[in-house]
Amino acid sequence: AQSVSQHNHHVILSEAASLELGCNYSYGGTVNLFWYVQYPGQHLQLLLKYFSGDPLVKGIKGFEAEFIKSKFSFNLRKPSVQWSDTAEYFCAVIGGSQGNLIFGKGTKLSVKP
Amino acid sequence: NAGVTQTPKFRVLKTGQSMTLLCAQDMNHEYMYWYRQDPGMGLRLIHYSVGEGTTAKGEVPDGYNVSRLKKQNFLLGLESAAPSQTSVYFCASSGGTSGGAFADTQYFGPGTRLTVL
Repeated sequence: AQSVSQHNHHVILSEAASLELGCNYSYGGTVNLFWYVQYPGQHLQLLLKYFSGDPLVKGIKGFEAEFIKSKFSFNLRKPSVQWSDTAEYFCAVIGGSQGNLIFGKGTKLSVKP
Repeated sequence: NAGVTQTPKFRVLKTGQSMTLLCAQDMNHEYMYWYRQDPGMGLRLIHYSVGEGTTAKGEVPDGYNVSRLKKQNFLLGLESAAPSQTSVYFCASSGGTSGGAFADTQYFGPGTRLTVL
């Protein structure tokens, strides 16, 4: 069965620190990849997605992610986090055209002002 | 556009009671989904629909039923609520334009927080 692993359950950073959240998936074929963010008390919003093309994807609010097929990874990065980035981040993967959207368990990011 | 809306926002039930959660979208999307979100578990797909009049089971369908009588609405029913169904329920929709029920960006509603005592 397909699965998505997010390595960090809770990450605590100070403002201006760099961020990298890990995401690995287990499907060997064509994948569509997503990062969603859930701010406190709000619903999920799409940060960025990868379907094909340039493996370095830029999303909203300065976030980017790199698809590395050989490592089955889609890590999320931001060079300098802000307090407003405090949220829970979910990686999600669709394996194949008939696959479900499988979510990782999420990573909580706390940014200290 | 309101996007995806869900009613109610909060609900408390007693074990054995029934209820229906309503999801509505105004984006003319073909595909709609119900997820539950539990701490440390991420989101898990309960049921989904690829079009009006169709439904299909997801990862955790037991104890839930759904109906998609109109394209814009997707209802989630709990016939006999259990404490294990205490969760936050999210509805989502997508256009599915890239092919396949899940191969496109999903737009989420604000969620319904359900507590079963």
